[in-house]
Amino acid sequence: EVQLVESGGGLVQPGGSLRLSCAASGFTFSNYSMNWVRQAPGKGLEWISYIGSSRPIIDYADSVKGRFTISRDNAKNSLYLQMNSLGDDDTAVYYCARDYSYGLWDWGQGALVTVSS
Amino acid sequence: QSALTQPRSVSGSPGQPVTISCTGTSSDVGAYNYVSWYQQYPGKAPKLMIYDVSKRPSGVPDRFSGSKSGNTASLTISGLQAEDEADYYCCSYAGSFTWVFGGGTKLTVL
Repeated sequence: EVQLVESGGGLVQPGGSLRLSCAASGFTFSNYSMNWVRQAPGKGLEWISYIGSSRPIIDYADSVKGRFTISRDNAKNSLYLQMNSLGDDDTAVYYCARDYSYGLWDWGQGALVTVSS
Repeated sequence: QSALTQPRSVSGSPGQPVTISCTGTSSDVGAYNYVSWYQQYPGKAPKLMIYDVSKRPSGVPDRFSGSKSGNTASLTISGLQAEDEADYYCCSYAGSFTWVFGGGTKLTVL
């Protein structure tokens, strides 16, 4: 059974940083591209970042480019999202999602990030 | 990276069909046959219902179907059931390893 478990969410002050982790199990992590998607309270889904399975292909939504960094450690079956210069608009539930055939097949339960002073 | 356009809400009676539209541009929906649809219940993670415009993952009921014409994709639920009441999001590949979601549609089963 595929499992994705996010961790690292919490309360952070504006301008602060936070690092999210996503622990993967139940599939060969190194074979799959991964994504981060977020959802602000009461709002819709927003794709924010992609990382390829083994090739160093990475991209970001304009809303986070230059502030967020996606990475992965295939040896640890883990995906990461380093978030810097956080603002109020970054308050959201952050999901990691497994990518296959341009669809997001499996999702974690989400990690809540709250940016507030 | 503008969001795809979906109706904010749709409704239907049990057993009736309902269609949710998703309008993009020639740079996303119109350019690629990589439209997917997600179902989300309140407080839960999204679930993939349709990928590659019209393909259903194993376990998704066949009353869910997808299609595309030009820059507009559609999700049709035939034979609406009470458990189909949820939020639905479309998503399109937009090139260069980027994706764009729709704003979401709240489906109410009357």
